[in-house]
Amino acid sequence: AQSVTQLGSHVSVSEGALVLLRCNYSSSVPPYLFWYVQYPNQGLQLLLKYTSAATLVKGINGFEAEFKKSETSFHLTKPSAHMSDAAEYFCAATSGGYQKVTFGTGTKLQVIP
Amino acid sequence: GAVVSQHPSRVICKSGTSVKIECRSLDFQATTMFWYRQFPKQSLMLMATSNEGSKATYEQGVEKDKFLINHASLTLSTLTVTSAHPEDSSFYICSARVGDSPGNTIYFGEGSWLTVV
Repeated sequence: AQSVTQLGSHVSVSEGALVLLRCNYSSSVPPYLFWYVQYPNQGLQLLLKYTSAATLVKGINGFEAEFKKSETSFHLTKPSAHMSDAAEYFCAATSGGYQKVTFGTGTKLQVIP
Repeated sequence: GAVVSQHPSRVICKSGTSVKIECRSLDFQATTMFWYRQFPKQSLMLMATSNEGSKATYEQGVEKDKFLINHASLTLSTLTVTSAHPEDSSFYICSARVGDSPGNTIYFGEGSWLTVV
């Protein structure tokens, strides 16, 4: 079984500040990990994914995430927040041979001018 | 990236009627599609996995007879909410994986707002 935990349902940062959204996973086998963003009343858009290649993954809109096996983490970061980054972010995981994707509970990012 | 389209984006139906939501993969073939339900300010709840040419696999607690899923072709899956009640009002999202590897990207539709009055 696998689970995904996102610490902090709400995160507020000032415009231009570092964005850090936390995600920890629990999986009995090496996982594939994803970060998705959801804008109000819309579906989910893939930001980036980890598939056992490079541990530091770069995504769209300046986001990146680092897979740390020792910490079972896959935190999402962006050096400088923009107003347009305000949205809900979901971390997700799936494991080899396990077709279903497990989502975290989501983190709503607020960017303060 | 690949495109998944849902229709309708918003639908209002009367209590007791049925409503169908379509999910199409526009530029790729999807042997597997997923249907999620999202309550306000909550995460996505997987309802079922839709497999082309076979019966859907429902998650525990999801009523198979109420949420009918049909995956008739490699580009189309439908979710029919039968005998809808106000508590079925929700945001329904479909997704499709390009290829069968679990590491492949899953693309999401735009979602469908269902309101049952």
